[in-house]
Amino acid sequence: DIQMTQSPSSLSASVGDRVTITCRASQSISNYLNWFQQKPGKAPKLLIYVVSSLQSGVPSRFSGSGSGTDFTLTISSLQPEDFATYYCQQSYSTPITFGQGTRLQIK
Amino acid sequence: EVQLLESGGGLVQPGGSLRLSCAASGFTFRNYAMSWVRQAPGKGLEWVSLISGSADRTYYADSVKGRFTISRDNSKDTLFLQMNTLRAEDTAVYYCTKLWKLGPEKYYFDYWGHGTLVTVSS
Repeated sequence: DIQMTQSPSSLSASVGDRVTITCRASQSISNYLNWFQQKPGKAPKLLIYVVSSLQSGVPSRFSGSGSGTDFTLTISSLQPEDFATYYCQQSYSTPITFGQGTRLQIK
Repeated sequence: EVQLLESGGGLVQPGGSLRLSCAASGFTFRNYAMSWVRQAPGKGLEWVSLISGSADRTYYADSVKGRFTISRDNSKDTLFLQMNTLRAEDTAVYYCTKLWKLGPEKYYFDYWGHGTLVTVSS
């Protein structure tokens, strides 16, 4: 199974900050890496697919990069509605696996 | 508008069974693979099972293999998850998800339902 490891596990930041979350796969997953945002009590929401493609309706302050085993999600200027938990997920092979999540909190 | 509406969750004793359903609308159901993803209370996301659009291929996480069965009724645009021999560790919110195909056996979850809570406890 491919293990996905996110860092940090939690992060405190302020509105307007630039934030980067990293995700590392235990083996190469090419570009089959997706990012989700989840707010308390809600279903996850797709933000970015295949590393850097923005899902329809997602603000352009979200971006993704990387390839192979190392990937990043960047929020260029944090907005109040961005405080949530973020998960990476690999689509390269089954079993499909997620990172453990990064909780983004207000400083 | 894509909508996925799960039902069938509830409280069940260890060793019991439950059948989840997911009613889909807003897209041509038979053309898309579907999946179940779960989330234990306060924990992260765990993929459970996947089924192809024509139901000819199914996949399971090791944690549920042999106990859970995924199926679909394309005439009724409905996805199912039959859960048998339930354990306390199966307690979670179960999400129905629509999949977008990237390539052979490569998908991502583009739409999620609101989830249904399954609690396994005596």
